[in-house]
Amino acid sequence: GAVVSQHPSRVICKSGTSVKIECRSLDFQATTMFWYRQFPKQSLMLMATSNEGSKATYEQGVEKDKFLINHASLTLSTLTVTSAHPEDSSFYICSARDFGASGGPKDTQYFGPGTRLTVL
Amino acid sequence: GQNIDQPTEMTATEGAIVQINCTYQTSGFNGLFWYQQHAGEAPTFLSYNVLDGLEEKGRFSSFLSRSKGYSYLLLKELQMKDSASYLCAVQTGANNLFFGTGTRLTVIP
Repeated sequence: GAVVSQHPSRVICKSGTSVKIECRSLDFQATTMFWYRQFPKQSLMLMATSNEGSKATYEQGVEKDKFLINHASLTLSTLTVTSAHPEDSSFYICSARDFGASGGPKDTQYFGPGTRLTVL
Repeated sequence: GQNIDQPTEMTATEGAIVQINCTYQTSGFNGLFWYQQHAGEAPTFLSYNVLDGLEEKGRFSSFLSRSKGYSYLLLKELQMKDSASYLCAVQTGANNLFFGTGTRLTVIP
């Protein structure tokens, strides 16, 4: 089955620093990856769509200069939270789009394990 | 806009059957997904429906009626480990995935 990894799983940083989160599809190539954010007891909210080799598409209200996304290869997308502040503390989850090559249903998103970001 | 509704919370007894409903109104439809999410973890894929009808996978089944904008997830022979949030998500014409707020299921002995 399709496996997506995320690193780090948990990060604590000081206000004003930048944090990079990696998302990797381990056994399939993902031309499209998605970044979500989830606050406690709320649903996943899509932040941006990351397309390999092109600029990411951001959802309304998400600052592209604050949340930098790079999708340099078919198996890796990174999200960098620049100048993080306490209000950026959240659970960040990536997903990778699998078009069925891994044997699962056609066009399914598989999620990474998530990254818990705490900004002090 | 996109609107996906699910009950907020449900409680069921170990060994029983529970049905979690989801209604949706979206601009475009390319399929409906159910995910399970345990507290503090990422969602895991459970089922996918794109045509009307019932999809069965072990103890889990999912039903879709596109004309009614309605789906349900059926869990049989409930186990304590099934206590989790269940997320209904619709893939729209833009191929993005929009999530409902999730249904928090508590399984009691």
